[in-house]
Amino acid sequence: EAQVTQNPRYLITVTGKKLTVTCSQNMNHEYMSWYRQDPGLGLRQIYYSMNVEVTDKGDVPEGYKVSRKEKRNFPLILESPSPNQTSLYFCASSDVGAWGGYEQYFGPGTRLTVT
Amino acid sequence: GDSVTQMEGPVTLSEEAFLTINCTYTATGYPSLFWYVQYPGEGLQLLLKATKADDKGSNKGFEATYRKETTSFHLEKGSVQVSDSAVYFCALTPNSGNTPLVFGKGTRLSVIA
Repeated sequence: EAQVTQNPRYLITVTGKKLTVTCSQNMNHEYMSWYRQDPGLGLRQIYYSMNVEVTDKGDVPEGYKVSRKEKRNFPLILESPSPNQTSLYFCASSDVGAWGGYEQYFGPGTRLTVT
Repeated sequence: GDSVTQMEGPVTLSEEAFLTINCTYTATGYPSLFWYVQYPGEGLQLLLKATKADDKGSNKGFEATYRKETTSFHLEKGSVQVSDSAVYFCALTPNSGNTPLVFGKGTRLSVIA
């Protein structure tokens, strides 16, 4: 089954404690992306990757890191989480560069709470 | 830059009512347009799309027509069901270049029996 998986689905942590949210897709997609969803703000892109070893900043990259060492995986790293990073996070993937009408496939989401 | 504006919710309708969720966009060139739906507790999934002017996307009884003259992509359904309760996002991507998917802020729809 074609899917994007994220782990963990729920995470409560404390300020400053490094964490990683994993994302994996089994569709051999080149393009992967991370979004955060906040009430009243919709979805905002954090980082995206056009292919292995190619990453770029989205609209709200501050406080986040990513890596793309393998095509299928695109982890999101919070080196020193802060309460303003409490949010619902989605990973997504698609063919090519997410332009030209290609559908993005979304993971189920990770709800992060930073206290 | 590119942007999407959609009507603010929440929208509450009775079952079998007609639904319209307005979406307008600002973009250079000829973007592709999408509607994504997010059911409670789930990620987003593509509902329908249109890749050129005058195209009509349709799925599950929902429709939207790409209107370049009014830069709009309004979502419609003739008779909503309780199971349509969800958050709906309008989005666009350019047809070239490196700009990622741009979302509207979402419209929450609640359908009551």
